[in-house]
Amino acid sequence: DTEVTQTPKHLVMGMTNKKSLKCEQHMGHRAMYWYKQKAKKPPELMFVYSYEKLSINESVPSRFSPECPNSSLLNLHLHALQPEDSALYLCASSLTWGRYSNQPQHFGDGTRLSIL
Amino acid sequence: SQQGEEDPQALSIQEGENATMNCSYKTSINNLQWYRQNSGRGLVHLILIRSNEREKHSGRLRVTLDTSKKSSSLLITASRAADTASYFCATKGGSRLTFGEGTQLTVNP
Repeated sequence: DTEVTQTPKHLVMGMTNKKSLKCEQHMGHRAMYWYKQKAKKPPELMFVYSYEKLSINESVPSRFSPECPNSSLLNLHLHALQPEDSALYLCASSLTWGRYSNQPQHFGDGTRLSIL
Repeated sequence: SQQGEEDPQALSIQEGENATMNCSYKTSINNLQWYRQNSGRGLVHLILIRSNEREKHSGRLRVTLDTSKKSSSLLITASRAADTASYFCATKGGSRLTFGEGTQLTVNP
C-alpha cells in the first residue's frame, strides 16, 4: 500500500465533462506534485505545490486546474479535455521542495484517465 | 535538458542472475534517484545518491555515480521474479526531478 492515496483509480469522461482528481497524504510532507505519464514513457511534471502555494506550472493547458486546499490534499480539476489527455495521472509528495532539497518523492498509484 | 538516458531499454534475465542498468545525463546535478514502477502502479523510490557520493547500497541494490562521466548504474543482485518492473533514473538539478526513459526489466522464473 502506498502512503499517497489517489482517487478515483479509473476515470472515463467525455470532452465536455468536468471532473476532479484527488490526492491525499498524511506524512506531513509540504511539497506535492502532479505528473502525467503516457504508456511506456517516463512521468512528466505538470505542477508543484510547496507549502500550499503553486511553485511550478510547466506550461500546462488551462483545461487542467490544480488546487491545494491544505497541506494534505491536492486536487486536479479537469474541464474540456482532449483525447490526447488520456494518460495515467500521478500525484507525489516529498518532505520539502527546492533547489537544495535531497528528499525522495512518494507516489500514489495514479488515476487512469480516458477521454472519449 | 538534463533528462537521463537509460541503457538498455529492455533487459530479460533468469531468476538469480544480476541485472545492471545504466543512466547518463547531461548537466550538473544535486542528486540522482532510482525508482521502480510495477505495471499499473505508481513509482516507488529505491535509492538516492548525492552528487558528492560515489556508491550506495540498499539490500540487494547497489548504485554508483560518476559525476565526471555524468553516469550512474543500478545493480540488482540475485534477481527475483518480483523484480520485474520498469526502472527509472531521475536527476535533480535545480528544483525539478527529471526522469529518464526507463529500463524494462523482466526476470524469468
